[in-house]
Amino acid sequence: AQTVTQSQPEMSVQEAETVTLSCTYDTSESDYYLFWYKQPPSRQMILVIRQEAYKQQNATENRFSVNFQKAAKSFSLKISDSQLGDAAMYFCAYRSPFMDSNYQLIWGAGTKLIIKP
Amino acid sequence: SQTIHQWPATLVQPVGSPLSLECTVEGTSNPNLYWYRQAAGRGLQLLFYSVGIGQISSEVPQNLSASRPQDRQFILSSKKLLLSDSGFYLCAWSVGHSTDTQYFGPGTRLTVL
Repeated sequence: AQTVTQSQPEMSVQEAETVTLSCTYDTSESDYYLFWYKQPPSRQMILVIRQEAYKQQNATENRFSVNFQKAAKSFSLKISDSQLGDAAMYFCAYRSPFMDSNYQLIWGAGTKLIIKP
Repeated sequence: SQTIHQWPATLVQPVGSPLSLECTVEGTSNPNLYWYRQAAGRGLQLLFYSVGIGQISSEVPQNLSASRPQDRQFILSSKKLLLSDSGFYLCAWSVGHSTDTQYFGPGTRLTVL
């Protein structure tokens, strides 16, 4: 079974600085999808970025980028120019592309990101 | 564009009372629908998912049930709530199969006293 591990329960960063959140996963599949979701205090889960495992190029979305290391099964999220609005819980998630998995997401435990003004 | 609604936003119920949480999606057809529960300070646990009307799959045996009476409506229910049912309930939708991404509703905070 697939697992997702986020080893940093909490991270803090100074506003305008860069921070990297770690995520590792375990799978025997060669093709899959990885996601970072953000959950602010409102608790709505918001998609930040998505990566297809077959793509070698790292995904980017404005100030958010990932470092996808398939061989190492690592999927870290880099947030550049951190803003106060980035403060939230960040969850890493894995999804198999196969129907027999019912496309369900496998979630990490989350990392709480604190932005210091 | 697609939107997803959940209600109520907050609910306080006594132990042993029934429960009905509703989720609706607009702007898409035949979505996959999901119910998740999140305990305080924890990750998400998939409870139910549905790929079509009347089709419900349960991931975790429990005190809850789900139904999908219409294409874009997903309901989470219980006949008798337990204290352990307290938590934050999130509904999500996706469209397609292998390339879909799940998008989440605003959630319902349920407290069972």
